[in-house]
Amino acid sequence: KAGVTQTPRYLIKTRGQQVTLSCSPISGHRSVSWYQQTPGQGLQFLFEYFSETQRNKGNFPGRFSGRQFSNSRSEMNVSTLELGDSALYLCASTGEQYSYEQYFGPGTRLTVT
Amino acid sequence: KQEVTQIPAALSVPEGENLVLNCSFTDSAIYNLQWFRQDPGKGLTSLLLIQSSQREQTSGRLNASLDKSSGRSTLYIAASQPGDSATYLCAGPNQAGTALIFGKGTTLSVSS
Repeated sequence: KAGVTQTPRYLIKTRGQQVTLSCSPISGHRSVSWYQQTPGQGLQFLFEYFSETQRNKGNFPGRFSGRQFSNSRSEMNVSTLELGDSALYLCASTGEQYSYEQYFGPGTRLTVT
Repeated sequence: KQEVTQIPAALSVPEGENLVLNCSFTDSAIYNLQWFRQDPGKGLTSLLLIQSSQREQTSGRLNASLDKSSGRSTLYIAASQPGDSATYLCAGPNQAGTALIFGKGTTLSVSS
């Protein structure tokens, strides 16, 4: 069974631009969560989608948004990029119940210059 | 509010040593806890998931325990190897059960 895939793996953007990251969950998984990892803050929850609906949202500004498609693939978008958005963005998938094991993808390394 | 703490932040050991990584959490109503491994610049690899109804989980040289009453989980690594060098993270659900709360991790270095 293929794991969680994320594209692209690396991105370099300039301040003010916007970016879209993609995540394909493990086949059969309907829940996709997104996390931001920085050296200072560690891993922080962004949002979670289940069956094309955002179920949960972390404490991030509205510049961070996402969506999920009918095939469970998910995208997250960051508009008006700031230097502080430079981070490793990770997505995780799981089955229907949140108590199930979370499987993470390799991440997208975003650098904002 | 769920908070997860990992001690120590870094650990260096010679090959062959048995070691214990610690994870503490504030919400004892936690229903599971997961241990992950992260290599530099990489994603997270799930190592073990312990449900609240379990006390321990084992996978190869790894053994994780969960004590809800004391708010602690430990990851025991037997006969450590240089390939075990990585950052180990523990995570539990927040009080609403809607997101994982991560510790800052323990960075392990095993020398040959």
